[in-house]
Amino acid sequence: EVQLVQSGAEVKKPGESLKISCTVSGYSFTSYWIAWVRQMPGKGLEWMGIIYPGDSDTRYSPSFQGQVTISVDKSLNTAYLQWGSLKASDTAMYYCARPRRVGTTVEGLDYWGQGTLVTVSS
Amino acid sequence: DIVMTQSPDSLAVSLGERATINCKSSQSVLYSSNNQNYLAWYQQKPGQPPKLLIYWASTRESGVPDRFTGSGSGTDFTLTISSLQAEDVAVYYCQQYYSTPQAFGGGTKVEIK
Repeated sequence: EVQLVQSGAEVKKPGESLKISCTVSGYSFTSYWIAWVRQMPGKGLEWMGIIYPGDSDTRYSPSFQGQVTISVDKSLNTAYLQWGSLKASDTAMYYCARPRRVGTTVEGLDYWGQGTLVTVSS
Repeated sequence: DIVMTQSPDSLAVSLGERATINCKSSQSVLYSSNNQNYLAWYQQKPGQPPKLLIYWASTRESGVPDRFTGSGSGTDFTLTISSLQAEDVAVYYCQQYYSTPQAFGGGTKVEIK
């Protein structure tokens, strides 16, 4: 069974750093891209970026380039999303998700993590 | 970057009636080499992650009821729920995967009238 399990909710202060995770099972981690999607409270979905664990090829949305870092640890079957200095506006639910087709970014995102709620408040 | 625009923002439909959601892309997502539209539709219920309903603009994901139909090509797309059921109350999103960033539309909230 394919599963994407995300790390738990976080409460942080502005200026702090954070790294959240997405651990996958049930398929070959290095064969499928992993996307990160933000959902601010009461708002829609925003595509942040995508990484191919096989070679760490990463594409960012211009809206998030330089604001976050996406990475993987192949030995742990885990993808990460990290911030160097959080802002209150980073408060959101963050989802990891896997594209439907192996080795490509197409056909939509068919498996999703449960989401990690990040709250940034002083 | 391709911008996805959905309409309406919300709609209320009686049980058993048809719901129609529109999605427009700022440039064509039809890839000429394979004649495929690089567009997906998702359903998101409160407190849940999104669920993939349709890809290639009109291919239903396994297990998705056939009352959900995707149509359109190029820049204009439609998701139709032919006979609205109570469990279809949700927010629906389109997404293009033609190029990165693979933007989502703003969402359409479907409620029962």
